[in-house]
Amino acid sequence: AQTVTQSQPEMSVQEAETVTLSCTYDTSESDYYLFWYKQPPSRQMILVIRQEAYKQQNATENRFSVNFQKAAKSFSLKISDSQLGDAAMYFCAYRGSQGNLIFGKGTKLSVKP
Amino acid sequence: DSGVTQTPKHLITATGQRVTLRCSPRSGDLSVYWYQQSLDQGLQFLIQYYNGEERAKGNILERFSAQQFPDLHSELNLSSLELGDSALYFCASSALLSGNSYNEQFFGPGTRLTVL
Repeated sequence: AQTVTQSQPEMSVQEAETVTLSCTYDTSESDYYLFWYKQPPSRQMILVIRQEAYKQQNATENRFSVNFQKAAKSFSLKISDSQLGDAAMYFCAYRGSQGNLIFGKGTKLSVKP
Repeated sequence: DSGVTQTPKHLITATGQRVTLRCSPRSGDLSVYWYQQSLDQGLQFLIQYYNGEERAKGNILERFSAQQFPDLHSELNLSSLELGDSALYFCASSALLSGNSYNEQFFGPGTRLTVL
C-alpha cells in the first residue's frame, strides 16, 4: 500500500523568506502523480502544485516549486518570498492507479511579519 | 469556488443517529470521491463513485454508505453515529475515472459533522 509521510508537523518562516516543506512517499507503482494542497483556516482544499512522476523537470507555479527526487521518493515544496497569506496547513498527496488521493498528516506553516 | 457544492455546511447530531451528506459535482464531472478529515486519522479516502457505480473503497466503516444518483450528485449516509465520527467530510469530483491521465480532483467546501 502507498504511504505519504510529512515529518514536519509545524514550520515557521519570516515574511519574504524561503521555506521548504518535506514529503516522502512509498509506492511500488511507476506511474503516479504527486500534489501539494493548501488548507487555510477556511478549511477549503486548494491545489498548489502537481508533479507527474514521468516528468523529470520539477514543477513550478509562481512562488511555489517542488524538488522531485523519484529514486529517493521525495517530493518537497519550496515557497519563495513567503507572504502572510501563505500561512496554512500544507498536505502532500499521492495519486496512483486507483485514482484516490493519499494524504500525509500535514505541515502547519506559520508566517511571521 | 471549485464548482463542487456540499450541503449542509454544518451538522450537529447525537450519538446513535443517522445523517445524510450531499454533494453536487462540477458540471460534467462523472467521478465523485468522499474523504474524511479528523484529528485522529487525518485526511483519508472513504469511497469513490463513477457514473453511478462504486469504483473504489478506502477506510470506510460498515456503518457508512454512499451512492451516486443518475443526475450525478452523491450522498454519504452515516448511521449509528459515534463521537469519533465527528469530522470534516469532503467531496471531490473529477472528470474522468482516473487511469494514467492527469485528472484533477476539485474539492467542495466540506460538511462539518459534530456528534454530541
